[in-house]
Amino acid sequence: GAGVSQSPSNKVTEKGKDVELRCDPISGHTALYWYRQSLGQGLEFLIYFQGNSAPDKSGLPSDRFSAERTGGSVSTLTIQRTQQEDSAVYLCASSPAKTSGGYEQYFGPGTRLTVT
Amino acid sequence: SQQGEEDPQALSIQEGENATMNCSYKTSINNLQWYRQNSGRGLVHLILIRSNEREKHSGRLRVTLDTSKKSSSLLITASRAADTASYFCAYSGGYNKLIFGAGTRLAVHP
Repeated sequence: GAGVSQSPSNKVTEKGKDVELRCDPISGHTALYWYRQSLGQGLEFLIYFQGNSAPDKSGLPSDRFSAERTGGSVSTLTIQRTQQEDSAVYLCASSPAKTSGGYEQYFGPGTRLTVT
Repeated sequence: SQQGEEDPQALSIQEGENATMNCSYKTSINNLQWYRQNSGRGLVHLILIRSNEREKHSGRLRVTLDTSKKSSSLLITASRAADTASYFCAYSGGYNKLIFGAGTRLAVHP
């Protein structure tokens, strides 16, 4: 079946511009996550959506970052006034409803963002 | 930082040899997972071990978990060139996010 998809796969933008990154999770998965992977920082959690609950935004690095999930499916991560330190690979993951003992996450191929 | 630690940072072996990677973490966990990443893009889930389990097998993979030492290991037996990738441990204290280790870069030479 279809996995998690992300678009665009690559994005080059000028410093100060806004960017939108899109994630299409696996159909039926209620949980959706955004992570960022940059050199020297490893993989960092950004934000988590679970069903209709309020999202966990504890990983967002600044108020320039925001995300929404419409209709419990597609999610968009928006970075306003991009800075060079925002350059990274942005990974989206989804997982099915919570089960006892934990669950795996299914990752998309990522969006490589380069801020010049 | 809550980030887990992995060692070694890089590992280079010959095909057919075994590869062992270690992960240490800092908090209590519900489960610990291992992921593989090729070419710096999407991660692929390999195996999940729950906090009440001590060992788990999946094909050529063997994972151990020692909650008293807050550590886990991933063993890949009879490695192949196709196993060349970065391997990450990730753990969850709750249901909402994974905390990743720094990763081990494995190179398997034909």
